[in-house]
Amino acid sequence: RKEVEQDPGPFNVPEGATVAFNCTYSNSASQSFFWYRQDCRKEPKLLMSVYSSGNEDGRFTAQLNRASQYISLLIRDSKLSDSATYLCVVLTGNQFYFGTGTSLTVIP
Amino acid sequence: NAGVTQTPKFQVLKTGQSMTLQCAQDMNHEYMSWYRQDPGMGLRLIHYSVGAGITDQGEVPNGYNVSRSTTEDFPLRLLSAAPSQTSVYFCASSREGGEFFGPGTRLTVL
Repeated sequence: RKEVEQDPGPFNVPEGATVAFNCTYSNSASQSFFWYRQDCRKEPKLLMSVYSSGNEDGRFTAQLNRASQYISLLIRDSKLSDSATYLCVVLTGNQFYFGTGTSLTVIP
Repeated sequence: NAGVTQTPKFQVLKTGQSMTLQCAQDMNHEYMSWYRQDPGMGLRLIHYSVGAGITDQGEVPNGYNVSRSTTEDFPLRLLSAAPSQTSVYFCASSREGGEFFGPGTRLTVL
């Protein structure tokens, strides 16, 4: 079983839409959780950490449900510049595990 | 700060050749790691280090060696390149929290 699983998409949404990505992880001992963004042919960049209490950064909201081993990312008021691949990442022990990513295209 | 730097950006090797991918960071991060990224596979951890003098294997270590003689540098050595090692290689570093990535090395093995 994969450590981290994501729906690969693609998600094609109009500008201004709200879109949500989900991710599940398999190891209940995982201690830290993140969302990254990766643009085509570029390196992944840290978008935000994810906490059980939920955290928000502008139009982005991340949530962690430890009981269900589930992580989510909500993007409100989508912009063209949000088009990218979003990676769910879990830290278990000393190793980071990456999901395969969910592709988002925001359409004018 | 330059962050995480990697050289070279592109490399073409012949099967059986060896080479070293360089990675350096100037953020004084203890944790450093190497990943490969292949289409449909996501990023897979090759090796990682929690500090100078300490390295450990990740998910796909075969065919690669690392060393960590300083906090700043974490080179990745391909011992005898194979076509299956054609990939994009990313180096990353972290203190607490998530990792910061270098720009990557695109490696083709013929």
